[in-house]
Amino acid sequence: QKEVEQNSGPLSVPEGAIASLNCTYSDRGSQSFFWYRQYSGKSPELIMFIYSNGDKEDGRFTAQLNKASQYVSLLIRDSQPSDSATYLCAVRAGGFKTIFGAGTRLFVKA
Amino acid sequence: EPEVTQTPSHQVTQMGQEVILRCVPISNHLYFYWYRQILGQKVEFLVSFYNNEISEKSEIFDDQFSVERPDGSNFTLKIRSTKLEDSAMYFCASSDRTKLNEQFFGPGTRLTVL
Repeated sequence: QKEVEQNSGPLSVPEGAIASLNCTYSDRGSQSFFWYRQYSGKSPELIMFIYSNGDKEDGRFTAQLNKASQYVSLLIRDSQPSDSATYLCAVRAGGFKTIFGAGTRLFVKA
Repeated sequence: EPEVTQTPSHQVTQMGQEVILRCVPISNHLYFYWYRQILGQKVEFLVSFYNNEISEKSEIFDDQFSVERPDGSNFTLKIRSTKLEDSAMYFCASSDRTKLNEQFFGPGTRLTVL
């Protein structure tokens, strides 16, 4: 069974701090890695994706991938209360099937 | 900004009934997907669809489920003989063929099976 594991949280950080969200996956054949944000009662919204080892930055967000350790992370710099949401890690092993983790709830305190 | 739309927003049905969930993908997108999310649980891939045929499906997508693109704009998910455990939020998503990694999700249809 291919799994994506995340700490359910909640992760609580003060406004302006860096939030660090982590994810591990079981399938070594995974090729594409995604971070989605999901507000309560809403649909997932893609933040960014990464498929090469290393870091990928987009504004306040940085995704980090380490395929040897089967580990993906998302850093959110200068966290804002509006960043409070559930963050979903997802992986794809080629093809179209995307496997999601259960998500980490982030709470940014004003 | 173009967006994926879904109707209805909430569907209530009796166990054993058939339901059709409707989606209008972003107009120039050619890849379509259905996901479901049972309350409090993970988002689960159901099926992907391209060029009028299923390109991949999960083990959840059994004979109870079918998808169709009946015209140039709609994409539907049919659930035959609904069960209590089919109660979930169903999300449609679409992506452009040049940006397959960027899937845009619709707002979802909440299906409640009584």
